Amino acid sequence: QVQLQESGPGLVKPSQTLSLTCTVTGGSIRSGDNYWTWIRQPPGKGPEWIGFIYHTGTTYYNPSLKSRVSISVDTSRNHFSLRLSSVTAADTAVYYCARGRHSYYFDYWGLGSLVTVSS
Amino acid sequence: DIQMTQSPSTLSASVGDRVSITCRASQSISSWLAWYQQKPGKAPKLLIYKASTLEVGVPSRFSGSGSGTEFTLTISSLQPDDFATYYCQQYNRSSRTFGQGTKVEIK
Repeated sequence: QVQLQESGPGLVKPSQTLSLTCTVTGGSIRSGDNYWTWIRQPPGKGPEWIGFIYHTGTTYYNPSLKSRVSISVDTSRNHFSLRLSSVTAADTAVYYCARGRHSYYFDYWGLGSLVTVSS
Repeated sequence: DIQMTQSPSTLSASVGDRVSITCRASQSISSWLAWYQQKPGKAPKLLIYKASTLEVGVPSRFSGSGSGTEFTLTISSLQPDDFATYYCQQYNRSSRTFGQGTKVEIK
């Protein structure tokens, strides 16, 4: 059974960079046609797709966040990471990592990590 | 960007009721639509993909229909475990977008 777990700081100051890592267990990040994904959900709102990465390093980003987002993968450690720069209070959300089956829809999710942007 | 609009925003129903949730896309997405269920404090759970294909392990009282720009999620007989918020998500082209959600609450 594939499991995903987010880790990283829960508090980030405005204008700084948010960094999170997702560790995948129960399966290899290189197996199957899977795209490793970051999704966020502001309090009381619907989810927002941030972007995903294939194990080869190919990335796709939400156009609205593209200038500030970077997703990377470390296949030797079976994890992938998110960096979001120049954060503001609007970036406060629960951040989820997920597995994108064929990149289309998301079948395994982490528990989520609340990140608050505040001074 | 393709926008997804769900209706209603909130739905009040009783155990045993048949309920339907609508999701409209701002342009045609063929059948590239998924539905999720989310409970408070939990991650969304995949229910249906490709508009009408039930994910393994999801009860058969859930069904999906539609194509193009209009889609429906139906629960044939609402159970206590089904009170939750439901989201649609499109996966046409290179971007992915979710609807704003429909909360199914106890009447």
